[in-house]
Amino acid sequence: GQNIDQPTEMTATEGAIVQINCTYQTSGFNGLFWYQQHAGEAPTFLSYNVLDGLEEKGRFSSFLSRSKGYSYLLLKELQMKDSASYLCAVSLMNSGYSTLTFGKGTMLLVSP
Amino acid sequence: DVKVTQSSRYLVKRTGEKVFLECVQDMDHENMFWYRQDPGLGLRLIYFSYDVKMKEKGDIPEGYSVSREKKERFSLILESASTNQTSMYLCASSPPAGANTQYFGPGTRLTVL
Repeated sequence: GQNIDQPTEMTATEGAIVQINCTYQTSGFNGLFWYQQHAGEAPTFLSYNVLDGLEEKGRFSSFLSRSKGYSYLLLKELQMKDSASYLCAVSLMNSGYSTLTFGKGTMLLVSP
Repeated sequence: DVKVTQSSRYLVKRTGEKVFLECVQDMDHENMFWYRQDPGLGLRLIYFSYDVKMKEKGDIPEGYSVSREKKERFSLILESASTNQTSMYLCASSPPAGANTQYFGPGTRLTVL
């Protein structure tokens, strides 16, 4: 079966850096997504990694190691508005279709 | 700007009722998905569709069915609602081929009494 693990909750201070880890055990791996979801809102796309290495996009970066089944999302210069749930999702190819399997999400609380 | 809309933000139904949740996307996407999201369980895939009139079961299809008569519209049907189907339901769409970003609607919070 598919298994995706990420911490349930994290706390950090405004202006700091936080790293949210995600480990996965899946078959048919076709890439890894990170989504941000504010309370009561829809998930929104943050990043996508399919090759090993770091992808940087402004204050957010995402890293992937396929051999280790590991990814992390790095958030720099934290702002209060970054308080949200962060969802790790693995893209799986199955019989020609691509679907996403999500982790349970990491709730990040940024305090002043 | 990409747009996925869902027919209701909040819905209250009674046990045994037939419930329709509608999702419409304006991005001409081939793929559409229905998820439910529950505390402690995350997002789980119920059904998806990769073309008009085509459907595939996701991880938790029991108690649900779907309909895709037009490319832009994907409906989730609860034939006989039960209290354990109280949840947040999220619709998403994506372009075809490969691992493409899914775009989500705002969600429908369904309560079954």
